[in-house]
Amino acid sequence: IVLTQSPGTLSLSPGQRATLSCRASQSISTTYLAWYQQKPGQAPRLLIYGASSRATGIPDRFSGSGSGTDFTLTISRLEPEDFAVYYCQQCGRSPGRSPLYTFGQGTKLEIE
Amino acid sequence: QVQLQESGPGLVKPSETLSLTCTVSGDSIKNNFWSWIRQSPEKGLEWIGYIYNSGTTNYQYNPSLKSRVTISVDTSKNQFSLKLSSVTAADTAVYYCARDQYDILTGAWYGLDVWGQGTTVTVSS
Repeated sequence: IVLTQSPGTLSLSPGQRATLSCRASQSISTTYLAWYQQKPGQAPRLLIYGASSRATGIPDRFSGSGSGTDFTLTISRLEPEDFAVYYCQQCGRSPGRSPLYTFGQGTKLEIE
Repeated sequence: QVQLQESGPGLVKPSETLSLTCTVSGDSIKNNFWSWIRQSPEKGLEWIGYIYNSGTTNYQYNPSLKSRVTISVDTSKNQFSLKLSSVTAADTAVYYCARDQYDILTGAWYGLDVWGQGTTVTVSS
């Protein structure tokens, strides 16, 4: 399953709303879709799992939605620390099929 | 607080075997899934494979790497390891280990919730 993220780069200002897209090449279960944030020199950080559940300690300005092949990460009001690269990931588990995890290519959220 | 720490050589010669270890603290290596992921500018984030030990060991590898990858676990040291054979320059990357929160009983998945800081491995003669 290929995950395609758009846009590649998103230029916004603090206080604005960010909408990031992740499109799968075939339908995936919402159970197996996650979002991560990565800052330079750091490991990715889990934000969202199950397409819409926030991980521990993640502020409620981050929300995830979607189903089937189209998923969205929304940051309601950008804080300075939110400018980073965001990745979606699917965990391809289904009966009778070997799991295969894939990541999107990332969306860079930069300050305008 | 769960912490993961990768360790191993930062430089590996072409055709040799890359060996890394991930030491887990704050959680048991048993009855959890543990993944290796790598990241390079060319390929982005790439899942290498996972291991699960509950007395018996279950593992799955990325098909694109399967012929060269071995992931193993040492429960006595609370560590799991990665071996990647016949490396080339294309295997140069930052390698991460991560806890993989898959519930084998319910089928629920809670993401890769804890990551190591990553270790850079360069393949060069």
